[in-house]
Amino acid sequence: NAGVTQTPKFRILKIGQSMTLQCTQDMNHNYMYWYRQDPGMGLKLIYYSVGAGITDKGEVPNGYNVSRSTTEDFPLRLELAAPSQTSVYFCASSYSQGLAYEQYFGPGTRLTVT
Amino acid sequence: AQSVTQPDIHITVSEGASLELRCNYSYGATPYLFWYVQSPGQGLQLLLKYFSGDTLVQGIKGFEAEFKRSQSSFNLRKPSVHWSDAAEYFCAVALNAGNNRKLIWGLGTSLAVNP
Repeated sequence: NAGVTQTPKFRILKIGQSMTLQCTQDMNHNYMYWYRQDPGMGLKLIYYSVGAGITDKGEVPNGYNVSRSTTEDFPLRLELAAPSQTSVYFCASSYSQGLAYEQYFGPGTRLTVT
Repeated sequence: AQSVTQPDIHITVSEGASLELRCNYSYGATPYLFWYVQSPGQGLQLLLKYFSGDTLVQGIKGFEAEFKRSQSSFNLRKPSVHWSDAAEYFCAVALNAGNNRKLIWGLGTSLAVNP
């Protein structure tokens, strides 16, 4: 059982380039989330999804896009990368029923934009 | 507005000493509370959670936390710290209004352990 997987682990982008961060979960969770983590700033929610075909903005969505075509996958797209997007990105998922609100996290993608 | 405060940005303890990490929340309804740990270069792992019932909850790695409604607190404790406990610790509260199940996160407490 792999849980939540993210690729790539590390990436360096030049300003203006684009890329997609991949996230896959094998726990049949309906809810999925993208966070960014900056030193001393905790976790900021970028986008989330409550099921295939349904996505919504979090606290810091500007500069990012998401899609959710399947239950398993929730890719995050960066268009026109900027230095302010240098961060560690985490994908997470959770159950959609009962009291199981806890989120399960992937290992993260460390992105540097120069 | 809902919020989570972790008053201590950084804590250093000696190996074998006891540990208490503080977490205060602001939330009008019954809170669902969590503690996560993040080891260097890793993702976040759930340590323990509180939904209802016994206010003292046990978690993994020998951690426990106590929910105190009167103080709006959910402090994390461990009686004897090991060097491997050095990590970042995050407290979170669930927004159980609606169906988005978002978590509100504290900014974290960085724990260093002296040998």
